[in-house]
Amino acid sequence: QVQLVQSGAEVKKPGASVKVSCKASGYTFTSYGISWVRQAPGQGLEWMGWISAYNGNTNYAQKLQGRVTMTTDTSTSTAYMELRSLRSDDTAVYYCARGSPYPGRDWGQGTLVTVSS
Amino acid sequence: DIQMTQSPSSLSASVGDRVTITCQASQDISNYLNWYQQKPGKAPKLLIYDASNLETGVPSRFSGSGSGTDFTFTISSLQPEDIATYYCQQYDNLLRLTFGGGTKVEIK
Repeated sequence: QVQLVQSGAEVKKPGASVKVSCKASGYTFTSYGISWVRQAPGQGLEWMGWISAYNGNTNYAQKLQGRVTMTTDTSTSTAYMELRSLRSDDTAVYYCARGSPYPGRDWGQGTLVTVSS
Repeated sequence: DIQMTQSPSSLSASVGDRVTITCQASQDISNYLNWYQQKPGKAPKLLIYDASNLETGVPSRFSGSGSGTDFTFTISSLQPEDIATYYCQQYDNLLRLTFGGGTKVEIK
C-alpha cells in the first residue's frame, strides 16, 4: 500500500531554516508528483507548491517564492521541502501528499514545525 | 491569484439531513475544483475531483457539481462519521492551487 512517512517535529528560531522529508513507498516514485500543504494552528489549508518526481519541475505558491525549495531524491524515493528565513507565522503542520498539480488520496502524517524565539 | 469563497463557514445538521456547501471562484476555473474532508488531527482526504468525480472508495452520499465559478458539495444523508471540516480547492491554468476557507460540519 502507498505510504508517505514524514520526518519528526521541529522547533526553530526565527530566521532559521527547516527541511522536512517525506519518504514514499508502495508505488513507483517517479510516476507521481509530490504536493506540499501546510496548516497553521486552528487555521485552514494553505497550498505551498508541488514538485514532479519525474523531472524535478516545481511550482511554488507566489507567497513563498524565494523562501521555499522542493527537491526529490529518486534513489531513496524521498521528497524534501526546505523553508528558509522562518517567521512565527510559519508555525504550522506541514503535509506532503502524492499527486500534482493537486494532492490526491495519499498524504503523509504531517510534521509540526514550531518557530519560536 | 484566484480566490475561493466557501460558505457557510460552519453548519449544524441532524443525522440523515441533506447538507450543502458552496464554493465560488473569483474567475472561471472550468471544472478544476476538488473537495477534501479533514477530521481533527488528521490529514485531509480527497473526496471529489474535477468538480463531480467521486474518488475511489468514497461513499456515494458525497457528491459535487458545478462549473465555471459556482460549485456545490452535497452530503445526501449526513452520518455521524461525516463530522469534519470540508475544503474546496481550485487549480488554475498555471497549475497553482487555492483552498477555500473551510466549512466545519457538526451534528445538531
